[in-house]
Amino acid sequence: DTGVSQNPRHKITKRGQNVTFRCDPISEHNRLYWYRQTLGQGPEFLTYFQNEAQLEKSRLLSDRFSAERPKGSFSTLEIQRTEQGDSAMYLCASSLNTDGYTFGSGTRLTVV
Amino acid sequence: EDQVTQSPEALRLQEGESSSLNCSYTVSGLRGLFWYRQDPGKGPEFLFTLYSAGEEKEKERLKATLTKKESFLHITAPKPEDSATYLCAVYTGTASKLTFGTGTRLQVTL
Repeated sequence: DTGVSQNPRHKITKRGQNVTFRCDPISEHNRLYWYRQTLGQGPEFLTYFQNEAQLEKSRLLSDRFSAERPKGSFSTLEIQRTEQGDSAMYLCASSLNTDGYTFGSGTRLTVV
Repeated sequence: EDQVTQSPEALRLQEGESSSLNCSYTVSGLRGLFWYRQDPGKGPEFLFTLYSAGEEKEKERLKATLTKKESFLHITAPKPEDSATYLCAVYTGTASKLTFGTGTRLQVTL
């Protein structure tokens, strides 16, 4: 097991386009989280899955954002109609219950 | 709402010059306090979890301590490879998330 894997590492997109990011968590971890981090700030919580169920969403997660975790394995985060304010690092983390959150290396999104 | 404040925002040390980073928090019912290290362009790397006041944990040149209102990350005789942003986060269990501070950017020079 090589940890939490995120793809792509970098994404440049034009405003108005849709983008999708993928996260592969540590295999035995049942919890998966998405966070967003902008320059000079700490990560901010977006959403949380326990197995395949999405149990919590932040108010930061507008209607343009959707996340899925089919079969409780990998997860995808889609942003529709991207805006320049969506430019950020999108981080995925996984954990076994509440122990030791492990983060991936993130996907850097730039909206031009 | 949970709040986490880290200070200083930035710290420049010479190699071997020990110092401490502060994380103060205001939460209802702390279940755990986490310290992470983050290098530029990478995700946070887990360092420690502290669960109760008085607890201490050590790893190489780093030592984390916890009181009822704040946590300290002590760095003893730092080396240039300790340069990074150090993030503190709290977990209360009422919401399944970590609430992060804005971090302390540490630079260690020769």
